[in-house]
Amino acid sequence: RKEVEQDPGPFNVPEGATVAFNCTYSNSASQSFFWYRQDCRKEPKLLMSVYSSGNEDGRFTAQLNRASQYISLLIRDSKLSDSATYLCVVKGSNTGKLIFGQGTTLQVKP
Amino acid sequence: DAGVIQSPRHEVTEMGQEVTLRCKPISGHNSLFWYRQTMMRGLELLIYFNNNVPIDDSGMPEDRFSAKMPNASFSTLKIQPSEPRDSAVYFCASSSLADYNEQFFGPGTRLTVL
Repeated sequence: RKEVEQDPGPFNVPEGATVAFNCTYSNSASQSFFWYRQDCRKEPKLLMSVYSSGNEDGRFTAQLNRASQYISLLIRDSKLSDSATYLCVVKGSNTGKLIFGQGTTLQVKP
Repeated sequence: DAGVIQSPRHEVTEMGQEVTLRCKPISGHNSLFWYRQTMMRGLELLIYFNNNVPIDDSGMPEDRFSAKMPNASFSTLKIQPSEPRDSAVYFCASSSLADYNEQFFGPGTRLTVL
């Protein structure tokens, strides 16, 4: 079983739609959680950290459920520029090692 | 500001040849990471350094892979001898120990081993 599992998609949605991605992780000792974004043939970039209380950054909302070992990302009012692969990432304590999911691909259509 | 710099950006080589990938982290960052990305396995950490010292090399696939960080501004990842299954995109990333969580990735080296 992979340490971080995501539905690879692709998710094809029209502009303006709301879309949600989910991710599960297997190591209950994981301490930090993130969503990274990767554009086609580019490097991954941090989109946002995920906190237990949930957090929002503009159109993006991330939530964490430690009991279920589940992380989510909600994108409201999708833009064409949101088309990318979204990587769910977890990290243990006292380590720099990031564990990446396989990514979920989003295609926003006009 | 200069980000993480990697060279070469593309490398095509023949099986059995030695390959050396290079990375210059962001100035002031004291953690450096080497990742490999393939369609099959996704993005995997190979090794990372803190203050030029290797901390975790458990992701290095086998003895054909080696990494060094002789100083704070330079690291290499070497594959000798290379094999077709090594074909992948290799990313270098750096971060500050003070903010370990955000890693800044370089543009990657796309390696093809024929």
